[in-house]
Amino acid sequence: DTAVSQTPKYLVTQMGNDKSIKCEQNLGHDTMYWYKQDSKKFLKIMFSYNNKELIINETVPNRFSPKSPDKAHLNLHINSLELGDSAVYFCASSQVSGGFSEQFFGPGTRLTVL
Amino acid sequence: AQSVTQPDIHITVSEGASLELRCNYSYGATPYLFWYVQSPGQGLQLLLKYFSGDTLVQGIKGFEAEFKRSQSSFNLRKPSVHWSDAAEYFCAVGARAGGTSYGKLTFGQGTILTVHP
Repeated sequence: DTAVSQTPKYLVTQMGNDKSIKCEQNLGHDTMYWYKQDSKKFLKIMFSYNNKELIINETVPNRFSPKSPDKAHLNLHINSLELGDSAVYFCASSQVSGGFSEQFFGPGTRLTVL
Repeated sequence: AQSVTQPDIHITVSEGASLELRCNYSYGATPYLFWYVQSPGQGLQLLLKYFSGDTLVQGIKGFEAEFKRSQSSFNLRKPSVHWSDAAEYFCAVGARAGGTSYGKLTFGQGTILTVHP
């Protein structure tokens, strides 16, 4: 059983389209995250949700809208895709109710905008 | 704000040789420190972490890291590298957001490890 799963694994689309990436964790964690890894492999946090509540929003364009229907799911919707959105997007989860803890990452979704 | 520097972009070692990957961090409080490994086309796997206590931490796959507060460093080591260790390695510092337990990880730029037979 995969702990943190993402779909799709690959996503190729045209500029201007709207797309979504889904993430699910079966670890029972209370906090989930989205990270972006750019072409130079630099990883940067985008969002964090704790029990469906937005906790961290790191100056991400409004075209990116995370949605957490429940604490096991955190989806990322991107409107009006741009070339610069091409990257690998990683979902992660952790349990923070007992204090800071490590984050477990999904396999990533490689988004290519043409 | 916290930051992480991995001075070596690319390191090449021979199989069986020892390895040390450098990591320096900047953070105003006691840091939570991590090393992750990313194989090509894969996600990130946690190798080890430091939260408190013993400054020498053991991880998976025979890796260890030593936290040195005076040098703001958390270097990763392995006594004998295997060909399967070839991957990209990321050091990260965890910080609480707004005084809560909700944390974010700030990553270094990564070190690519190549292993020669």
